[in-house]
Amino acid sequence: QITLKESGPTLVKPTQTLTLTCTFSGFSLSTSGVGVGWIRQPPGKALEWLALIYWDDDKRYSPSLKSRLTITKDTSKNQVVLTMTNMDPVDTATYFCAHRGYNWNLFDYWGQGTLVTVSS
Amino acid sequence: DIQMTQSPSSLSASVGDRVTITCRASQGISNSLAWYQQKPGKAPKLLLYAASRLESGVPSRFSGSGSGTDYTLTISSLQPEDFASYYCQQYYNVPTFGQGTKLEIK
Repeated sequence: QITLKESGPTLVKPTQTLTLTCTFSGFSLSTSGVGVGWIRQPPGKALEWLALIYWDDDKRYSPSLKSRLTITKDTSKNQVVLTMTNMDPVDTATYFCAHRGYNWNLFDYWGQGTLVTVSS
Repeated sequence: DIQMTQSPSSLSASVGDRVTITCRASQGISNSLAWYQQKPGKAPKLLLYAASRLESGVPSRFSGSGSGTDYTLTISSLQPEDFASYYCQQYYNVPTFGQGTKLEIK
């Protein structure tokens, strides 16, 4: 049974760096084909893909946010960490982590999401 | 980026209706398309992938079709639990989502 859960601060100040952790179970990020992605959703708005990390430590980032994002994995802890620098109020959103499905860059299992508010 | 244009943005329908949601990609995506359902306050749920493959456990009233740049999600007979938002996502290139369709009860 695959589960994922996001954790991190609920409130960050503008210009600060956000660090979110995705803790998962039911799969290993050392298995060929496996990946974990981050997706966010501002209140009342659409989903936006942010980043993806693969079993072989390859990484992909949203072109529009690439300069601000870093994704890393700790296979021994079953965790994936996303950092986003220079946070702004427009980054207020629910942040989801999700399991890469069927060896394609789609997402078949999702965490519950965590709401991050950016405000001074 | 490949842009995904989803239509309509909102839709009112009744239980038992047949509804269709369309997604158009800015370039061909070779059936690399997934559809998700999202209910308020919940994570998205994968419904279909590879344009027409039904995810395990998803009712057969959901179907997908299309090719090239144009894809559709069809719900053959709406059930009360189907009123939700729906998103398409291409995975031909770095993932991008459509803007969503909110399906409301008429």
